[in-house]
Formats: sequence, C-alpha cells, structure tokens
Amino acid sequence: GAVVSQHPSRVICKSGTSVKIECRSLDFQATTMFWYRQFPKKSLMLMATSNEGSKATYEQGVEKDKFLINHASLTLSTLTVTSAHPEDSSFYICSAPDRGTGNTIYFGEGSWLTVV
Amino acid sequence: GDSVTQMEGPVTLSEEAFLTINCTYTATGYPSLFWYVQYPGEGLQLLLKATKADDKGSNKGFEATYRKETTSFHLEKGSVQVSDSAVYFCARGSQGGSEKLVFGKGTKLTVNP
Repeated sequence: GAVVSQHPSRVICKSGTSVKIECRSLDFQATTMFWYRQFPKKSLMLMATSNEGSKATYEQGVEKDKFLINHASLTLSTLTVTSAHPEDSSFYICSAPDRGTGNTIYFGEGSWLTVV
Repeated sequence: GDSVTQMEGPVTLSEEAFLTINCTYTATGYPSLFWYVQYPGEGLQLLLKATKADDKGSNKGFEATYRKETTSFHLEKGSVQVSDSAVYFCARGSQGGSEKLVFGKGTKLTVNP
C-alpha cells in the first residue's frame, strides 16, 4: 500500500482562489519532504524543501508567497497555491525520505491541478 | 547545473520485445542515479538505482549500468510484459544532496499483447 499519500489527486479551482494539497507519510516520520511540479512534456522540477517546524526552503525562481508550504507535524506537509491562475495548472508531487530505512525516498501519487 | 536528458516517448512495444530507454546526465560530481516508474494512478516508485561508476542496478528484470565515461544510465529489459506499461523517469541526486532529485522528462511505455 501507499507509504506516502497525497490528496487530492485531482482538483479544479477558479482563478483567484487558493487550493491546498496535502502530503502525508503513513508509516514513518518525515522531518523533510520535497515538493515537485511538472509542466506538460517537461521534467519534474523541485519547487521547495519542506522542513518540519521551520520555514520551507524554496528553489530559485519559485515564489514563496504564492506557494505556501506548511510542515506542521512529522507526517504532514501541505502546499497551498494562493490566488491561483491558469498558468499554475500543473502536476504537483511530493516525496519524503524515510531515514529509518536508509533514506529510501517515497513519492506520493501526485495531484493534478487545473485552474479555470 | 544538474540535468538529466531522457529519451522522449511515447514508446510502444509488443510483449516480449527488448526495451531500451536512454538516459544521460550532467557530470557534476558523482551523483547517485535512479530509475523511477509510475504506474497509472500511482505515485513514483523506485525501480532501481546505482551509487557509483560501473554499478549495475537491477529489479523486476530491468537493468541499468552507471557509465561514467559516457555519463549514461540506460534502462534495459530483455522481454517486456503488458504489466510494464508505465511512465519511466530517470533521475540523479542533485548537488544539494541525494534526497533532492533532478529528473528527466519521463518516457511513457505501452506494451501491447
């Protein structure tokens, strides 16, 4: 079964609204999680590193005020796309390393966001 | 910077055909190399990995060898099955650490009976 669960798998929202995507580690505690996004026919690109109990670290070019990341517990990180626009439509996926099993990296199922 | 270049798909094969998906990476440092597979409706799963030059990763009949001289990590399988239909991603650990991955664009494989 899934070791990292992501929700929702698909979401459609209106321009200007915000949408939250959750990433949960089910069988282990994750002090660090990673958020990626994938544009059509492009690579998965790392957006940010989510750190439990502290601020996220964003990659160059990623707007931290637009993509809010909260890692409030050892098993949950959330990505909120604020004031969404059609160009934010993308595939978002999270990953979490399980440091108890030699840093095996588990990925969520991914979330398809469509902004209309 | 770090990058991974992966053969573009889609790739369509008949069952029992030989599969090769090419992957090359930028040679910054000595990164770990990975192949991930994503079955329909599921998350990415680690298929195999190699952590140093000449290492061969293998799993479920798939193999890939870390070739430092050609900066390649091509994925091969001698006889594909319908159940191998999925999207395959080549990835390398980034300079920021092996937990952060740099991915190729993914290659969709469809195997027909």
